[in-house]
Amino acid sequence: AQSVTQLDSHVSVSEGTPVLLRCNYSSSYSPSLFWYVQHPNKGLQLLLKYTSAATLVKGINGFEAEFKKSETSFHLTKPSAHMSDAAEYFCVVSDEGYGANNLFFGTGTRLTVIP
Amino acid sequence: DAGVTQSPTHLIKTRGQQVTLRCSPISGHKSVSWYQQVLGQGPQFIFQYYEKEERGRGNFPDRFSARQFPNYSSELNVNALLLGDSALYLCASSYEWTAYEQYFGPGTRLTVT
Repeated sequence: AQSVTQLDSHVSVSEGTPVLLRCNYSSSYSPSLFWYVQHPNKGLQLLLKYTSAATLVKGINGFEAEFKKSETSFHLTKPSAHMSDAAEYFCVVSDEGYGANNLFFGTGTRLTVIP
Repeated sequence: DAGVTQSPTHLIKTRGQQVTLRCSPISGHKSVSWYQQVLGQGPQFIFQYYEKEERGRGNFPDRFSARQFPNYSSELNVNALLLGDSALYLCASSYEWTAYEQYFGPGTRLTVT
């Protein structure tokens, strides 16, 4: 079965400092992995996706993530946090192997950016 | 282009009642998926429909049902509502059922009292 574990429920950083949101995955085969962001009262927005191409994936708004198979990790990073980055972030694995495109979400990491 | 739209935005129901939620996918998208997001948790997969057929079902009771119409819009029905059904219900669309990118609507906030 596919699953993801987000290692931190809450991360707090100062504006202008690096962001690291950690995610480990479990998958019986080569997974597709995603990071989504959810701002208050707004829909989920796709930040980036990994689908077995380059292991370093660049997304929108300066975010990137690195797929590390040996560590079963897909951590999300950004060199410099901006106030607008404050939101809930979800690490997601796709379960297409069962004939449907189910997305399995982690429990989320709330990012707070301190001015 | 319009994104995924959902209606209503909010609704309040009483235990035991039935509710219908609606979703219109992005134009040209043939697949619609439904997710339930309980407060403080990540969304959980309920259903996926593609070309009007059910493609996948999550671990939800039979009180939950859905359908997809010829124009690819979709309805989610929940019967015999329980307090635990209170959640944000999200609809997502994608071009094909295998498409990795799913685009989410703003959700319908259901409160069961």
